[in-house]
Amino acid sequence: SYELTQPPSVSVSPGQTARITCSGDALPKKYASWYQQKSGQAPVLVIYEDSKRPSGIPNRISGSSSGTMATLTISGAQVEDEADFYCYSTDSSGDHRIFGGGTKLTVL
Amino acid sequence: QVQLVESGGGVVQPGKSLRLSCAASGFTFSSHAMHWVRQAPGKGLEWVAVISYDGNSEHYADSVKGRFTISRDNSKSTLYLQMNSLRVEDTAVYYCAREEVARPFDTWGQGTLLTVFS
Repeated sequence: SYELTQPPSVSVSPGQTARITCSGDALPKKYASWYQQKSGQAPVLVIYEDSKRPSGIPNRISGSSSGTMATLTISGAQVEDEADFYCYSTDSSGDHRIFGGGTKLTVL
Repeated sequence: QVQLVESGGGVVQPGKSLRLSCAASGFTFSSHAMHWVRQAPGKGLEWVAVISYDGNSEHYADSVKGRFTISRDNSKSTLYLQMNSLRVEDTAVYYCAREEVARPFDTWGQGTLLTVFS
């Protein structure tokens, strides 16, 4: 079955750049989207179509995709950015929708 | 404002059935595909099911296919998830989420907790 692979954790100091990767064989053909989930809250869409930001999402959060890897970048990470981040996409047929396993971002 | 409110969660025994509801407001419900996504305690997100804007097309995760049924009532702006033959591993917070064009899961509800416990 199709999988999206993320690192379990990423840790940075405040003000540094955090990069979270998501790898999947269909990503060259399918868009990725990213979701931020803070403790005890519902997820929030932060990036769609690989690199587009919904309104209200700070521009220090950006996305990119190259080959089989999508990347979420948080520039100048702040303590309030601490959360679990999930990528999402589909397999090449579009029939199977899947989230990556999630990455816990720690900013300290 | 755009809002999704889930209800219907609770504690049930394995093998039993339960129906979740998701009441939508603040947007034209009948124009959007809708999803259910779940999250087991301490685990990641798992996509469960999707239904087209008009209810004519449904797709399911392999883990729930044949046991769960997604449906909608556009006249009531409400999404449903009928869950049969429940298993312990179905224990999770269940979220409903809206799909906007090119923006999967652009809006989420607050979730409702299902516990399957013998």
